[in-house]
Amino acid sequence: DIQMTQSPSSLSASVGDSVTITCRASQSIDTSLNWYQQKPGLAPKLLISSASSLQNGVPSRFSASGSGTGFTLTINNLQPDDSATYYCQHSYTSPYTFGQGTRLDLK
Amino acid sequence: EVQLLESGGGLVQPGGSLRLSCAISGFTFSSHAMSWVRQTPGKGLEWVSGVSGSGDVTDYADAVKGRFTISRDNSKNTLYLHMNNLRVEDTATYYCAKDLRITVTVILSLSFDHWGRGTPVTVSS
Repeated sequence: DIQMTQSPSSLSASVGDSVTITCRASQSIDTSLNWYQQKPGLAPKLLISSASSLQNGVPSRFSASGSGTGFTLTINNLQPDDSATYYCQHSYTSPYTFGQGTRLDLK
Repeated sequence: EVQLLESGGGLVQPGGSLRLSCAISGFTFSSHAMSWVRQTPGKGLEWVSGVSGSGDVTDYADAVKGRFTISRDNSKNTLYLHMNNLRVEDTATYYCAKDLRITVTVILSLSFDHWGRGTPVTVSS
């Protein structure tokens, strides 16, 4: 199975800051990487697919890049609504594993 | 508007069975692969099983293979997960999830663009 490792596991930032979350795959997954946002009590929401494709309705403050084994999610100009847990997930081959999550708190 | 609504969760003893359902609306159900994904505080998000749009192709995580069966009724716009021989470690919130892409006959490169609200399953004696 392909293992997905996110870092950091948690971070705290202020409104207006920029943050970057990293996701590393245990083997190459090309660009088969998705990013989700999950708020407490809600289902995950797909933000980005295929490593860098922003989903409709997702603010352009969110961007992502990477290929192979290394990927990043960057959130610019943080807003209070961005407080959530962020997960990466590979869609390369079964089983479609998720990272352990990165909790983002806004100060 | 795409909607997915799970039902069927509950409390069951180890070794017991449950059937989860997911009623969908707002998109052409038969055109998309569907999956079940579960979440626990300890293990995070875990893909459990997927089924092709046609229902002919299924796939399972090793942890549930041989115990869970995914199926769909495209005439009723409903996805199912039959869970047998349940274990304590199956305790989780179970989500149904729609694949982003239009694919009918295969399960390929699953990305989940819509999710239900989840149904809790507790396996305990």
